[in-house]
Amino acid sequence: NAGVTQTPKFQVLKTGQSMTLQCAQDMNHNSMYWYRQDPGMGLRLIYYSASEGTTDKGEVPNGYNVSRLNKREFSLRLESAAPSQTSVYFCASSQTGQGYEQYFGPGTRLTVT
Amino acid sequence: GENVEQHPSTLSVQEGDSAVIKCTYSDSASNYFPWYKQELGKRPQLIIDIRSNVGEKKDQRIAVTLNKTAKHFSLHITETQPEDSAVYFCAASMGSSNYKLTFGKGTLLTVNP
Repeated sequence: NAGVTQTPKFQVLKTGQSMTLQCAQDMNHNSMYWYRQDPGMGLRLIYYSASEGTTDKGEVPNGYNVSRLNKREFSLRLESAAPSQTSVYFCASSQTGQGYEQYFGPGTRLTVT
Repeated sequence: GENVEQHPSTLSVQEGDSAVIKCTYSDSASNYFPWYKQELGKRPQLIIDIRSNVGEKKDQRIAVTLNKTAKHFSLHITETQPEDSAVYFCAASMGSSNYKLTFGKGTLLTVNP
């Protein structure tokens, strides 16, 4: 099993450009998440999907959109990138229910200039 | 929403000493409290978790304690080794949702040989 995979690993964008971060999991998990990690800020939830066909906002959703394409895939889109979106983005997945471990992908390091 | 405070932000110990990291949370409905370890440049990985019906849990050199009345929980690492050096994050489930997590800002633990 590959677990949780993310593409790309690194990306540099200019202000105003758009891009989509891809995430896939092969653990048959219902729930998937997108986090951003900034120095000294921990992991902050951007969007999550409790199950296929549903998505909802987390703590910091502004400037992002998501698509739960199917049970395996959950993508994060930046429509018009801003320097404030420079961060490391992690996708994660878990079973839905009481206290299941979240498994993280390797992360995407995004720089917006 | 849930707020998780984590202290200290940095911790330096000598190999063989113990390390303690403390977290407090605000939402009394939270009932799942995982701890994640993140090595430099890697993804966060679960090292131990505790549910609200348990006061303490141990796994070899790692233990977590939970005080629901005071709304705080702690990670204890005994006989520290250089490979324990990493950033450690505590997290708490968001209210009655057992799968959405709020993370603390992290503790950088350095174990000096």
